Amino acid sequence: GAVVSQHPSRVICKSGTSVKIECRSLDFQATTMFWYRQFPKQSLMLMATSNEGSKATYEQGVEKDKFLINHASLTLSTLTVTSAHPEDSSFYICSASAGGTEAFFGQGTRLTVV
Amino acid sequence: QQQVKQSPQSLIVQKGGISIINCAYENTAFDYFPWYQQFPGKGPALLIAIRPDVSEKKEGRFTISFNKSAKQFSLHIMDSQPGDSATYFCAASMHATNKLIFGTGTLLAVQP
Repeated sequence: GAVVSQHPSRVICKSGTSVKIECRSLDFQATTMFWYRQFPKQSLMLMATSNEGSKATYEQGVEKDKFLINHASLTLSTLTVTSAHPEDSSFYICSASAGGTEAFFGQGTRLTVV
Repeated sequence: QQQVKQSPQSLIVQKGGISIINCAYENTAFDYFPWYQQFPGKGPALLIAIRPDVSEKKEGRFTISFNKSAKQFSLHIMDSQPGDSATYFCAASMHATNKLIFGTGTLLAVQP
């Protein structure tokens, strides 16, 4: 099956710093990538949708200046959490789609802001 | 209208038993209904998916039953095993956006 690699799997950063998370599709071209946030024992909440070469579309309530998304190529999307604060600590997951309805998920990134 | 309701929140099944998880939706524009399995600290993995033109789909021990008129679909895990212990999410999307709307999740524990 299609493989989506997310890096890093865990990151700890100091409050006020920025953190970048990478999402790569390893064996297919991802025309669309999605970024989700998941709190403990809760469901996945869609943050934004990005299409290669276009600006990301953010869901209502998601601060686009805090969560910067770049989808510069058909195999790479990045999520940068800017000026991170403890409340941004969460599990961030990306998924990638080759244009059909099936989406493949990365293994997630556990962000802890101290 | 964009919600997908999932039940139960948690489920305990004996090894060899049948696990049943139910989901319901409102938006009739949804046309793709996948189920995902998630282990702690990992991303979700696609188990099985169905489209509204069929009422049932089976893959190994996993079966989706789909009731279009009731706007409900369910996952059946036959011969449940301890290795099936995980959180299961139903989801729905529509072709126009391909955005997945997830259910609230079901924590399944299969006891040996």
